[in-house]
Amino acid sequence: DIQMTQSPASLSASLGDTVTITCRASQNIDNYLSWYQKKSGSPPRLLIFTASRLQPGVPSRFSGTWSRTEFTLTITGVQPEDFATYFCLQSYSFDLTFGQGTRLDIK
Amino acid sequence: QITLKESGPTLVRPTQTLTLTCSFSGFSFYTTGVGVGWVRETPGKALEWLAVIYWDGNERYNPSLENRLTITKDTSRKQVVLTVTNVESADTGTYFCAQRLGMGRRNWFDPWGEGILVTISS
Repeated sequence: DIQMTQSPASLSASLGDTVTITCRASQNIDNYLSWYQKKSGSPPRLLIFTASRLQPGVPSRFSGTWSRTEFTLTITGVQPEDFATYFCLQSYSFDLTFGQGTRLDIK
Repeated sequence: QITLKESGPTLVRPTQTLTLTCSFSGFSFYTTGVGVGWVRETPGKALEWLAVIYWDGNERYNPSLENRLTITKDTSRKQVVLTVTNVESADTGTYFCAQRLGMGRRNWFDPWGEGILVTISS
């Protein structure tokens, strides 16, 4: 199994802050990773696919980068609607695995 | 417009079989590359991938649950069914179905259904 270690588990931010969430894969997964936003009572929302491609309709303050086995989701200028939980998902292995999630709340 | 909707029981007794249906519109299994997957959100708020089925009938299951899961598709009715046998309290959660996009390893889930909350309790 490919393990996805996501950090931090939670973080607090103020409006306008820049925050970074990281997923580290237990082995090479190339860029086969997507990021999702999850709010309570709503389904996950695709933000980023193939590590760095922004899903149409997602604000440009969201961005994804990767280097080897480390993947980052950055929110530049946090907005009120961004307070949610974020998950990464690897698809290199056909046995898909999510990161444990990062809860972003307001400071 | 692509939509997916989950349906099924919201309360299931332990040891019984849970059967969930995903009904979708706006795409078809007749299209090469199409897939539909199931993901659940546990009470601890983690997401867990369960299974996916592809246009060609290929199926993949979460290895930790594989012996309890079955995913099938009805191409003409545009439905995907997930069964979970011998359920227990740890299977309580919100179950989502989603369209799998992309090809090969380069794939992701979008869009998603609204989800169905399933409680396992006697």
